[in-house]
Amino acid sequence: GAGVSQSPSNKVTEKGKDVELRCDPISGHTALYWYRQSLGQGLEFLIYFQGNSAPDKSGLPSDRFSAERTGGSVSTLTIQRTQQEDSAVYLCASSRQGGAEEPQHFGDGTRLSIL
Amino acid sequence: AQSVTQLDSQVPVFEEAPVELRCNYSSSVSVYLFWYVQYPNQGLQLLLKYLSGSTLVESINGFEAEFNKSQTSFHLRKPSVHISDTAEYFCAVSEGGSYIPTFGRGTSLIVHP
Repeated sequence: GAGVSQSPSNKVTEKGKDVELRCDPISGHTALYWYRQSLGQGLEFLIYFQGNSAPDKSGLPSDRFSAERTGGSVSTLTIQRTQQEDSAVYLCASSRQGGAEEPQHFGDGTRLSIL
Repeated sequence: AQSVTQLDSQVPVFEEAPVELRCNYSSSVSVYLFWYVQYPNQGLQLLLKYLSGSTLVESINGFEAEFNKSQTSFHLRKPSVHISDTAEYFCAVSEGGSYIPTFGRGTSLIVHP
């Protein structure tokens, strides 16, 4: 497709389980971002990729969170030993080269619910 | 470091009335400014952006925003809103040389019939 694709759209899991969220950016976009959006909150930056490298991981909230990107395309965000406070919408965005003047293109997000 | 303030968390308005959503930022360097709109259960979509040149920028659906450097503001306006404009609106700021934009906390625009 032409836009950013995220899967699954919804995920319900039990506390303590691991989850993996997937993001397929716009073809040719080298910059990829993960954000977390909690109810009534703004966007919380998690991690930024340029190609397969992650020059900025400063937003990852704990070592339970990790992300990778392979082939300069698809990215996965993994949350280990999920906690209830991890419940949120996880948004992925991409941009052509990551320049400050470039707008970001967002997927529809994965709504994660931890029981 | 930059910061973005959207003073109003919620703005209720009647259909066909004008609306202004406020955005102020703090930065000591040149900035690029964006407004995004988020409809329920969707991601953010770019509404309009200011990069350089004319300080007044417009979107295709009647919104406009004006960059005011002295007041460090980028308020979003529409002269006559529709029910379909009901959504969450986010202001974002990027500093030159930075890869990570800063987003405001969002303003929920609620248009009543």
